[in-house]
Order: sequence, then structure tokens, then C-alpha cells
Amino acid sequence: DTAVSQTPKYLVTQMGNDKSIKCEQNLGHDTMYWYKQDSKKFLKIMFSYNNKELIINETVPNRFSPKSPDKAHLNLHINSLELGDSAVYFCASSQGGQGIAGELFFGEGSRLTVL
Amino acid sequence: EDQVTQSPEALRLQEGESSSLNCSYTVSGLRGLFWYRQDPGKGPEFLFTLYSAGEEKEKERLKATLTKKESFLHITAPKPEDSATYLCAVGGDSNYQLIWGAGTKLIIKP
Repeated sequence: DTAVSQTPKYLVTQMGNDKSIKCEQNLGHDTMYWYKQDSKKFLKIMFSYNNKELIINETVPNRFSPKSPDKAHLNLHINSLELGDSAVYFCASSQGGQGIAGELFFGEGSRLTVL
Repeated sequence: EDQVTQSPEALRLQEGESSSLNCSYTVSGLRGLFWYRQDPGKGPEFLFTLYSAGEEKEKERLKATLTKKESFLHITAPKPEDSATYLCAVGGDSNYQLIWGAGTKLIIKP
């Protein structure tokens, strides 16, 4: 029974397209995150939601829009995809904020390739 | 500025050859230092939390230690299945987000 699941696992698309990645957690956690991992393996937080409320919104282009319909789901929609958006996107969850808890549960990642 | 630096970038060991990975950090008001393991094609998996200098945590062949400036992940008699990228992250008082290192890729040859 997967704790944090995200779909799709792979996404190949053309520049200019719009795409979405979905994430669901069944751990009962109240905080969810989107991270981006680039080719150098650096993890960079993009967004954090606590009980459906946005609490961290790092400097990411407006083309990226998160949506949390409930505390178990956090989706990421990307408009007008660019080559530089190619990366692996990870969804994660925790009980409490990450700076406090630090124990995050990650999904397996969604590898986005923009051609 | 909060910062995390991990070294070495990559480490190749023979099976059974013990060694250590380093995580140096600069943070105002350390709330916690966290170690994760990441296998290829997978998300990071939580290993340890350390809260204060002098603290140690162990799990199988891994032991994490913490000083005021750095943390070490000691691996004793490693096996090929310990091969992975090991990530370090810190949480501090100045913000609510974790600051991540770039990781150390550990390769254990049989």
C-alpha cells in the first residue's frame, strides 16, 4: 500500500504544452510538498501546503500552479512548458512543517522531459 | 545564509571497507539535521534525525553523528545493497524549509 503516490511516473511532452502531475498520500499527514530535483540531484522545494493552505511558495515561475483539493491530495499544473522545466518532480508529505519535523515521506517522482 | 555542503561527491568502496560521509552545515538555530537515502529512480527515504551536538543514531551498518558544524554518516562493513545517494538536510530557526545538500553517491563493489 503506497504511502505517497504520484502520477504519471514519466511525462514526455513538447514545449508550450500544459501538463499536470497528481499526488496522493494515505498517511494522514497534514502537510504536503512539491520538490524539483535537477540533473545535479539538488532537491529544491517549490511549494508546501498545510491543511490545504499554501505556506511556502518559493520563487518559481507563475506557470507552475499547485492545487490542494483536500489534505490528502496536492496536484501540480504546469502551463507553457519550457525546456528548463525538464527535471524530476517529487511530492512529499509530513506530519507538521518540514523545518520542524524533517521526516518527509516522498513519492517515487515524476520525470518530466520537455522536447 | 543557511547552507549545507556534502563531501565527497562520490565514494567507491569495496564490500566490507568502512568509511564516512560528511555533511557540513551553517544554520542559525539548528532545529534538526536529517539524513536520507535515495536509490536510483526513487524518492529519498528518511534515515535519521539528529537534534543536538553529541547525539548519535544507528541503524544496521549506518551510524550518524553530529557536532556543531558537521555531521558524519559512518558506514561499517558496507554491502553492495548500501549503494545509493545519501542526502543531508538541515532545518533552522530562520525559515520553515529544509536546506538540502547535493548528496554523496556511494558505490559498494562486491
